[in-house]
Amino acid sequence: GAVVSQHPSRVICKSGTSVKIECRSLDFQATTMFWYRQFPKKSLMLMATSNEGSKATYEQGVEKDKFLINHASLTLSTLTVTSAHPEDSSFYICSAADRGGGQPQHFGDGTRLSIL
Amino acid sequence: DQQVKQNSPSLSVQEGRISILNCDYTNSMFDYFLWYKKYPAEGPTFLISISSIKDKNEDGRFTVFLNKSAKHLSLHIVPSQPGDSAVYFCAASPGVGVLNTDKLIFGTGTRLQVFP
Repeated sequence: GAVVSQHPSRVICKSGTSVKIECRSLDFQATTMFWYRQFPKKSLMLMATSNEGSKATYEQGVEKDKFLINHASLTLSTLTVTSAHPEDSSFYICSAADRGGGQPQHFGDGTRLSIL
Repeated sequence: DQQVKQNSPSLSVQEGRISILNCDYTNSMFDYFLWYKKYPAEGPTFLISISSIKDKNEDGRFTVFLNKSAKHLSLHIVPSQPGDSAVYFCAASPGVGVLNTDKLIFGTGTRLQVFP
């Protein structure tokens, strides 16, 4: 089946550090990828829609300068949390939509980000 | 504003019995609904979906029912197995499913535990 790889799976770093998370579709091309954030015991909240070759579309309330998204190829999108602070600690998950259509979004295994 | 709600945070069912997970939504523009299953430290895995033009979709042990007038859907698992123990998320999309580039709005999840 379709696989989405997300790396790293866990990050622990100091406040002020910028952290990059990668999301790759391994066996299909994805013109659209999505970035979600999940707080403990809460729903997955869509942060932004990443479109290959164009700017990401951010959801209301998400700081685009804080969460930089790059989707440079049909198989890779990156989320960079810039100057991370403890309140950015969360579980970040990406999903990818097969450009061939007909299939639901496939999710990565998520990245647990802990800012000290 | 939580547009997709799962009011039961947890459910415990005996092996072999039926598990019924419920989901309510508020936005009448939603046209496509999905159920995802999530194990700890993993991303959600797609289970089953239903279009708003249908009221039932069945796939093996899993059946999803949609009541548009009540803005309610449910997932039935029968017979339940210990391996079904996980967190189940319902999700809604304004798209029609074919265009899987539409964003998903997730519920808060229900933790299902199936005991022997």
